[in-house]
Amino acid sequence: DAGVTQSPTHLIKTRGQQVTLRCSPKSGHDTVSWYQQALGQGPQFIFQYYEEEERQRGNFPDRFSGHQFPNYSSELNVNALLLGDSALYLCASRHGTLHTGELFFGEGSRLTVL
Amino acid sequence: GNSVTQMEGPVTLSEEAFLTINCTYTATGYPSLFWYVQYPGEGLQLLLKATKADDKGSNKGFEATYRKETTSFHLEKGSVQVSDSAVYFCALAPNAGGTSYGKLTFGQGTILTVHP
Repeated sequence: DAGVTQSPTHLIKTRGQQVTLRCSPKSGHDTVSWYQQALGQGPQFIFQYYEEEERQRGNFPDRFSGHQFPNYSSELNVNALLLGDSALYLCASRHGTLHTGELFFGEGSRLTVL
Repeated sequence: GNSVTQMEGPVTLSEEAFLTINCTYTATGYPSLFWYVQYPGEGLQLLLKATKADDKGSNKGFEATYRKETTSFHLEKGSVQVSDSAVYFCALAPNAGGTSYGKLTFGQGTILTVHP
């Protein structure tokens, strides 16, 4: 049973560029959350998708956007990259209708902005 | 807003020593509390959780008790092993279950190193 998978694992971009990160949730999960983890810090919630809609959003600017597809996979898009966007981006999934469904995390995509 | 504060790290212990990692939180209502662990080269994994006051979560010899009066959820283990070396994160969800479980607030993490 594959867990949460993310791609790419590492990538380097320059300021002003745009990036798309991808996530496949754990089998049987239908809800995907995205987190940003700066070096030496805890993860920060970006947003959560369920039934192809953004359901909750953290304190991130509109440059951060996402999408969920009918197969429950998800993308995170970041436009107009800033140096401060350099971080590990984590995707997590859970079963949305299970009241206490555990959140499972992928290993992340490490983005470096030069 | 919600926040989680963990003790300053890193923590270095000898094998079989007693471990405590402090965690305090600020939240309205009745949050659920979690400890996640990140082993080298791996993703975050749920270690234990507690969903209401006085609940004790436990797993792999680790324990933590949800103390509403002190807004704390300290992680403890009686005898650590080298294999426990990892980064530990305290986290909270705004409510007990439902969609809030996808929106966690994390502490800054505590690096634990255990020497033989």
